[in-house]
Amino acid sequence: SQELEQSPQSLIVQEGKNLTINCTSSKTLYGLYWYKQKYGEGLIFLMMLQKGGEEKSHEKITAKLDEKKQQSSLHITASQPSHAGIYLCGADSAAIQGAQKLVFGQGTRLTINP
Amino acid sequence: SAVISQKPSRDICQRGTSLTIQCQVDSQVTMMFWYRQQPGQSLTLIATANQGSEATYESGFVIDKFPISRPNLTFSTLTVSNMSPEDSSIYLCSVIQGAGGNTIYFGEGSWLTVV
Repeated sequence: SQELEQSPQSLIVQEGKNLTINCTSSKTLYGLYWYKQKYGEGLIFLMMLQKGGEEKSHEKITAKLDEKKQQSSLHITASQPSHAGIYLCGADSAAIQGAQKLVFGQGTRLTINP
Repeated sequence: SAVISQKPSRDICQRGTSLTIQCQVDSQVTMMFWYRQQPGQSLTLIATANQGSEATYESGFVIDKFPISRPNLTFSTLTVSNMSPEDSSIYLCSVIQGAGGNTIYFGEGSWLTVV
């Protein structure tokens, strides 16, 4: 079964600094999703990547999927307190593209210090 | 993007009781999913709910414990039956939407604490 490994598990950065969160799979990723979660709340959709080498950006957040489609990274530029939260990567659990049942990494807890 | 509303957002429940969580979507969707997130853990899929058919449960989850209804294309319920403290979790529903039908959105979650 698909398993996702996120690193680091937690991250504390100074406001204004850049940071990167990684998501690695032992199997090919057919759909890789990034979400943000605030404590005790639902998931906010950030981005979805499907093609090897794909890169998407929204405001100060950029997500990339490597050419082999086994690793994704989420990069935040000039971090702000509003970026604090738990970042989760999720991927389609089946080898059939579009199966759409997600398995998730364990999450990365991001803290931004003023 | 889909707007997904869940009720209740939070509740404290007595052990042995059952609670039904509602999920309402602002547009018609074919597939709805229910996930559980135990404290400090990531999300685990409970079941897939399609309108007009029985829900499909993942390994480790059974219909007697987590009965699901899907009466129409915009609504679903998940019941957590005979609750124990181990059922304390955030329960989230999700749907697929977007061009190409491949973006997955989540509700705000229902945080249940069983005492």
